[in-house]
Amino acid sequence: NAGVTQTPKFQVLKTGQSMTLQCAQDMNHEYMSWYRQDPGMGLRLIHYSVGAGITDQGEVPNGYNVSRSTTEDFPLRLLSAAPSQTSVYFCASRQALFSGNTIYFGEGSWLTVV
Amino acid sequence: KQEVTQIPAALSVPEGENLVLNCSFTDSAIYNLQWFRQDPGKGLTSLLLIQSSQREQTSGRLNASLDKSSGRSTLYIAASQPGDSATYLCAVSAGANSKLTFGKGITLSVRP
Repeated sequence: NAGVTQTPKFQVLKTGQSMTLQCAQDMNHEYMSWYRQDPGMGLRLIHYSVGAGITDQGEVPNGYNVSRSTTEDFPLRLLSAAPSQTSVYFCASRQALFSGNTIYFGEGSWLTVV
Repeated sequence: KQEVTQIPAALSVPEGENLVLNCSFTDSAIYNLQWFRQDPGKGLTSLLLIQSSQREQTSGRLNASLDKSSGRSTLYIAASQPGDSATYLCAVSAGANSKLTFGKGITLSVRP
């Protein structure tokens, strides 16, 4: 059981470049989300989805786009990378939006923007 | 706006010691509280979830308590081991369908 899989693990981008962080889960979870983790800031929610075709903004959505065309996949797109987007990104999923369900995290994607 | 605080940011203890990790939150109107463990270079793993109506939850050597009225939770680790070394984060949810608000975590080091 793979759980939540994120790719790539590490990425270096130049300012202005675009890229997509991939996230896939094999647990048939309805709810998927993206967080960023920065030193001294904790985890902050970027975007989330409660099912295929449905996405919504979290706490820090600016500079990021998401889509949810299938239940399994929830990619995070950086359209024009900025140094402020240097961070560790985590994808997470749980059965439903209900917060009492166990949430599962991927292993993270380390992104550096130079 | 809910704020979750975990103090101290880091803790070092000798192996075998019983220890308590603290978590405080500013808005007592929470739905549930969760404790997570994060190993270096890894994602978060859920340890314990306490519903607002509960006082505590236990899993093995871990016991989490919740005092909603005072805005506090503690994670008790019995007989600590070097393998317990990790960062422990708490997170609260304001409602059944609400997002999680995380603390910044406590980095625990258990010395052999």
